[in-house]
Amino acid sequence: GAGVSQSPSNKVTEKGKDVELRCDPISGHTALYWYRQRLGQGLEFLIYFQGNSAPDKSGLPSDRFSAERTGESVSTLTIQRTQQEDSAVYLCASSLEGMAETQYFGPGTRLLVL
Amino acid sequence: AQKVTQAQTEISVVEKEDVTLDCVYETRDTTYYLFWYKQPPSGELVFLIRRNSFDEQNEISGRYSWNFQKSTSSFNFTITASQVVDSAVYFCALSEAWSGYSTLTFGKGTMLLVSP
Repeated sequence: GAGVSQSPSNKVTEKGKDVELRCDPISGHTALYWYRQRLGQGLEFLIYFQGNSAPDKSGLPSDRFSAERTGESVSTLTIQRTQQEDSAVYLCASSLEGMAETQYFGPGTRLLVL
Repeated sequence: AQKVTQAQTEISVVEKEDVTLDCVYETRDTTYYLFWYKQPPSGELVFLIRRNSFDEQNEISGRYSWNFQKSTSSFNFTITASQVVDSAVYFCALSEAWSGYSTLTFGKGTMLLVSP
């Protein structure tokens, strides 16, 4: 079946502008995760959604970052007033509900803030 | 201290050589999960294996094998007879009970370059 999809693939924006990144999880996956990967680095956890529970926002680096998810479907990660240090690949993953279910990743959105 | 340490930043081998990627983790939980992911140049992370802390049996899948040793908190990954297509960044990750197993803590990755 279809994997996790993300859009746009690439985004170039100017410092100070807002951006929205979209993630479509695998159908039937109730858990959804956002990660950030800076150039040459590992993945940093940002936020986690599980069903209708309150999201785990513990990884969001500042209040400029927010995310929403509608039910068990699409999620949007919004970065307001972008800064150059926000330049990174933003990866979305989804998994089945349950203990340590394997996370399946999308191709990522490459964000460049000029 | 890092929870997941991949000390090898970059490894270069020639095709057909065997190569082992090291992963050392740190956790206070008795129940946890370990993962390996591959990130080819295309950028998408590909799941390779998940192992829970109670299963110390080594696993083999084709040319890939994993050696899990709780005594040394290591979960090493070996590729036998490497191929050019194995060139990628490989990440080791940990999922712990305290987070409800909900999040993955990744190492910084090891870049593997396999030349013909």
